[in-house]
Amino acid sequence: AQKITQTQPGMFVQEKEAVTLDCTYDTSDPSYGLFWYKQPSSGEMIFLIYQGSYDQQNATEGRYSLNFQKARKSANLVISASQLGDSAMYFCAMREDRGSTLGRLYFGRGTQLTVWP
Amino acid sequence: IAGITQAPTSQILAAGRRMTLRCTQDMRHNAMYWYRQDLGLGLRLIHYSNTAGTTGKGEVPDGYSVSRANTDDFPLTLASAVPSQTSVYFCASSTGTGTEAFFGQGTRLTVV
Repeated sequence: AQKITQTQPGMFVQEKEAVTLDCTYDTSDPSYGLFWYKQPSSGEMIFLIYQGSYDQQNATEGRYSLNFQKARKSANLVISASQLGDSAMYFCAMREDRGSTLGRLYFGRGTQLTVWP
Repeated sequence: IAGITQAPTSQILAAGRRMTLRCTQDMRHNAMYWYRQDLGLGLRLIHYSNTAGTTGKGEVPDGYSVSRANTDDFPLTLASAVPSQTSVYFCASSTGTGTEAFFGQGTRLTVV
């Protein structure tokens, strides 16, 4: 079974609007971490935001926030006030802390976000 | 060097040839990883190393080998390249339980 599911292959948003990228995860490990990465057309993986499973509050980093709903196993990324430079592929990932592979990330298949003027 | 450096950045390789992708980090992270990225599949783990001197197989290890002689270096070797190994390869490192995993810039490999 997929550990990370991103159901939106592509999303479109107008500049200055907010957009939510969906991510659900599957784990029985009580301790885990959730990550979002951005991959622009240049190819590098850019870390955006992290949420620990025991964190009480949703993580925020500038225009990025992570809507963490633990009971639903959901970790959606919200980008506020979209900019043209936000156009990229976005990956959700999970780390299970009880696994034998220290720090290994499980990735979703990604969502291609396009911001239009 | 700052962070993780991969070399080469891109390569065209004839099928059957041997190739080593290099990865070096300067953050003294214990854990290192090799992922491959294929369109529509996200990133998949090839091999990993929890600490110098140890390695393990990920979900797609066939046709690849790794070594971890020291903390900083984690080379990935394709013993006899095949076209299905055409992909973008990312090396990454982390403390294992930290709030970020660091990625190299990727190596685009084409096997013809």
